[in-house]
Amino acid sequence: DGGITQSPKYLFRKEGQNVTLSCEQNLNHDAMYWYRQDPGQGLRLIYYSQIVNDFQKGDIAEGYSVSREKKESFPLTVTSAQKNPTAFYLCASKTGTGGLGGANVLTFGAGSRLTVL
Amino acid sequence: AQSVAQPEDQVNVAEGNPLTVKCTYSVSGNPYLFWYVQYPNRGLQFLLKYITGDNLVKGSYGFEAEFNKSQTSFHLKKPSALVSDSALYFCAVRDRTGANNLFFGTGTRLTVIP
Repeated sequence: DGGITQSPKYLFRKEGQNVTLSCEQNLNHDAMYWYRQDPGQGLRLIYYSQIVNDFQKGDIAEGYSVSREKKESFPLTVTSAQKNPTAFYLCASKTGTGGLGGANVLTFGAGSRLTVL
Repeated sequence: AQSVAQPEDQVNVAEGNPLTVKCTYSVSGNPYLFWYVQYPNRGLQFLLKYITGDNLVKGSYGFEAEFNKSQTSFHLKKPSALVSDSALYFCAVRDRTGANNLFFGTGTRLTVIP
């Protein structure tokens, strides 16, 4: 079955540690996204990538980094510079980019819950 | 700038009654509008979208939404609520420029009471 796989589902981190969240899709989608979800704040865009080896900052990119070396993979690193990293992280993808891809639907992974101890 | 407002954090409705989850948007030009649903500790699932044409859009699980350009609204509706509809609902908007990013509302938690 096609879909998006996020791992790990739950992750605990000590303060000062970097952690990497994995996102893999087998949908052959062009664009991939990382969102952060906090209670009462909806989803906020961290980073997105429309093609391999290219990515752009979203609304809350500070303290995060990404790479897009393969079309299928878009890992997110939460660095020690992120002051409040405890949250639920969602990866998504869609086919099509630019204006023509605007109507296309995002497919989401099941999420990764990061807790800082 | 694009934005989406979901004015109600929580909506409670009795099973079998009609439900409405409200959404208003702000975008330059004509929007693409979406509704997604999230069950606990899961990702979001697509319900329906408005692109163009008929203002009444029908989606999954018996949900529908009406696009109202003059009121810049896209309220989600269902004629008869089920307990299994209890979840967190997100409205989202995307403009038709090349930027192509999706902006989400803060979500409305729907609880259907048996």
